[in-house]
Amino acid sequence: SQQGEEDPQALSIQEGENATMNCSYKTSINNLQWYRQNSGRGLVHLILIRSNEREKHSGRLRVTLDTSKKSSSLLITASRAADTASYFCATATNAGKSTFGDGTTLTVKP
Amino acid sequence: DAGVIQSPRHEVTEMGQEVTLRCKPISGHNSLFWYRQTMMRGLELLIYFNNNVPIDDSGMPEDRFSAKMPNASFSTLKIQPSEPRDSAVYFCASSTSGGATDTQYFGPGTRLTVL
Repeated sequence: SQQGEEDPQALSIQEGENATMNCSYKTSINNLQWYRQNSGRGLVHLILIRSNEREKHSGRLRVTLDTSKKSSSLLITASRAADTASYFCATATNAGKSTFGDGTTLTVKP
Repeated sequence: DAGVIQSPRHEVTEMGQEVTLRCKPISGHNSLFWYRQTMMRGLELLIYFNNNVPIDDSGMPEDRFSAKMPNASFSTLKIQPSEPRDSAVYFCASSTSGGATDTQYFGPGTRLTVL
């Protein structure tokens, strides 16, 4: 099974609300990355958090990492219709191998 | 920078035919990845290279799949013979070094349809 598993599978919110997505993984990691994929497009890197970091911010994005629980969360604040996309977490081992989760499909209604 | 370049963007072929997908990583990046994305299996890592050398090919589904990286600026993924179950979007990604320990930059993908 995939190393990273996102929860929920789908999320629908109103514009302006916050969206929270979670990712769980199974083995030790070097880092965890979050990506966005718009329908029919490639993946776009959002943020990378290393195993010795606990929280990271980038604009309206906030990522947390709890290595003891092997979990991460992505918070998008003040969501916009343009945030509608699928969001994936990817874990990377020290050997450089990455594994993607199944993704969370976010729909932001205007 | 032009980003990761993949060609073709779309490929439609018949079962049994050979398919070659191409990728040009970002200049200066030392690691290159090939992924396959399907509705059923999600995004799967097929193989990754570091400094043109295959490091992990455990994700390559079977012997029909092969990948090469003859130099730092070019890689191919070949399927021979192709089968309908190979239909998917194939992504190439590159990173500066150390495999996925750094940010991966993805290409736009090649949508493969095998009839």
